[in-house]
Amino acid sequence: NAGVMQNPRHLVRRRGQEARLRCSPVKGHSHVYWYRQLPEEGLKFMVYLQKENIIDESGMPKERFSAEFPKEGPSILRIQQVVRGDSAAYFCASSRGQISSGNTIYFGEGSWLTVV
Amino acid sequence: GENVEQHPSTLSVQEGDSAVIKCTYSDSASNYFPWYKQELGKGPQLIIDIRSNVGEKKDQRIAVTLNKTAKHFSLHITETQPEDSAVYFCAASDGNQFYFGTGTSLTVIP
Repeated sequence: NAGVMQNPRHLVRRRGQEARLRCSPVKGHSHVYWYRQLPEEGLKFMVYLQKENIIDESGMPKERFSAEFPKEGPSILRIQQVVRGDSAAYFCASSRGQISSGNTIYFGEGSWLTVV
Repeated sequence: GENVEQHPSTLSVQEGDSAVIKCTYSDSASNYFPWYKQELGKGPQLIIDIRSNVGEKKDQRIAVTLNKTAKHFSLHITETQPEDSAVYFCAASDGNQFYFGTGTSLTVIP
């Protein structure tokens, strides 16, 4: 996984609470991607960010979900008022540059969110 | 958008045999095709990738082939070992984001 660090690894939230998932990309990588994986399913794209900018959020639900990648610090995926359907593994990935420039992405170990 | 289909969803092979996983994609603009291995409770790890200007790539026991005309690509694992047991995902990228297949659960029987 080339050093992408995610925390927490496991998170339990009650319905209606907020979940914050953090991702520190590989050192030197300025592009971050968030994916969601439901049980027994593949990875679904959520959002693509560069430092301080959201490049593509086409996979992000319109409500309750937000993401940021500030100039300093990790990228944050925030889920407000969680519901049971938000229970999933959330994976962060990073790349040095754009995929179109020949860069590939490396995944972290994931954050497993359980909503009870 | 891109649609990636992956087959089979489960695959069992005897240790030492070969395993083949196939994927098709729909968008002719896709030009990069990585394969990831995911072990239980872990994140996907890149095992091999191929770009659209190459038809085949090999790395020890793992090889990937790409047929751009037919829009399909395959992962080949030879001399399988129990530690190859995992879920394998193919992906296609048009340069903006990755689109993943639904995964193949490979079991290598000792």
